[in-house]
Amino acid sequence: RKEVEQDPGPFNVPEGATVAFNCTYSNSASQSFFWYRQDCRKEPKLLMSVYSSGNEDGRFTAQLNRASQYISLLIRDSKLSDSATYLCVVSYAGGTSYGKLTFGQGTILTVHP
Amino acid sequence: EPEVTQTPSHQVTQMGQEVILRCVPISNHLYFYWYRQILGQKVEFLVSFYNNEISEKSEIFDDQFSVERPDGSNFTLKIRSTKLEDSAMYFCASRPLGGNRQPQHFGDGTRLSIL
Repeated sequence: RKEVEQDPGPFNVPEGATVAFNCTYSNSASQSFFWYRQDCRKEPKLLMSVYSSGNEDGRFTAQLNRASQYISLLIRDSKLSDSATYLCVVSYAGGTSYGKLTFGQGTILTVHP
Repeated sequence: EPEVTQTPSHQVTQMGQEVILRCVPISNHLYFYWYRQILGQKVEFLVSFYNNEISEKSEIFDDQFSVERPDGSNFTLKIRSTKLEDSAMYFCASRPLGGNRQPQHFGDGTRLSIL
């Protein structure tokens, strides 16, 4: 089983649509969770951290279900500028680990006019 | 906003040659990382560095790889004898104290092409 698994998509949605991405992780000791976005051939950029109670940042809502080892990202009112690859990222800190990030393969989103 | 900077942006090297990739992490950050991304694949962890020593490394980070923080600002990744399969985008990242909930900030990467 992959450590972090995402639906690769691609998701093609019109402007204004709501789109949801899912992610599962295999290490139950994982401690921190993030969504990053990556534009073509660019560096990953933090979109938002994911907290146990769920959190929202403008049009973006993230949810975490530790029991199911499941993370989600909801984007409302999609903009053209939201077109990117969305990376589900998990951090485990235990033993000698100093918070290395484990990435999913990413979900490609294209928002069209 | 402070950022992680990497040089060069693109490095082309003959197979078997040594290459050094350079990074300047954000100044008050204490944890440093290297990741790589082969074209079309996911981002993979290589190594973490804290308190002037390697804290964790992946299976990819074999004897051909080394990291160094030669002064108070630079953080380098050296590949001693490059192979074709080392061709990838290499990202440096850093984060401050405050536990793993502190997100890592990435530089814009060095594209390494091995011929």
